[in-house]
Amino acid sequence: GENVEQHPSTLSVQEGDSAVIKCTYSDSASNYFPWYKQELGKGPQLIIDIRSNVGEKKDQRIAVTLNKTAKHFSLHITETQPEDSAVYFCAASKTDSWGKLQFGAGTQVVVTP
Amino acid sequence: EAQVTQNPRYLITVTGKKLTVTCSQNMNHEYMSWYRQDPGLGLRQIYYSMNVEVTDKGDVPEGYKVSRKEKRNFPLILESPSPNQTSLYFCASRAIEQPYNSPLHFGNGTRLTVT
Repeated sequence: GENVEQHPSTLSVQEGDSAVIKCTYSDSASNYFPWYKQELGKGPQLIIDIRSNVGEKKDQRIAVTLNKTAKHFSLHITETQPEDSAVYFCAASKTDSWGKLQFGAGTQVVVTP
Repeated sequence: EAQVTQNPRYLITVTGKKLTVTCSQNMNHEYMSWYRQDPGLGLRQIYYSMNVEVTDKGDVPEGYKVSRKEKRNFPLILESPSPNQTSLYFCASRAIEQPYNSPLHFGNGTRLTVT
């Protein structure tokens, strides 16, 4: 089955700096890659996603890139703010799995003022 | 407000004492799922349901049961809890008509401790 690895497990950044989280996946048939943000005491919430027919997607300060050949995708957060502090999960799924998501282990991001 | 509601938020119990964690969604979603979250392991799927009376095992189903008698409810049942089921549990739902345009909506979690 699909295996998703996520790095780093923790990431500390100064406010205003950029943060990058990287994920690799094993199943070349995976074609949908969402990112979820989990704030303290809450459930994960989708923040951005990318499909295999595009290489990059941006939404204000966050962007996701996908390299299908290397089977890895990354989340980029620019101009980090304290409210970006959270746990971030990457995930992967494919068409014939009814959208079942395989999650990475998560990255704890701490933005220090 | 569209939401997934789990109860209770916190639960402490003893080994072997049956318990149920409830989950309800108000979005008329067909798909519902339970996950457990453990440090370093991310979110692992326990069971899922594609619609009423249709359930299937996820990646870590041992020791758990579910039922889907109504579209909005998807309770998680631990018949004989053990300490290795101490975890943070999440219920989630989504529409399945367009799986890639329909994000998973998560509840706020249930912190279970089994002593």
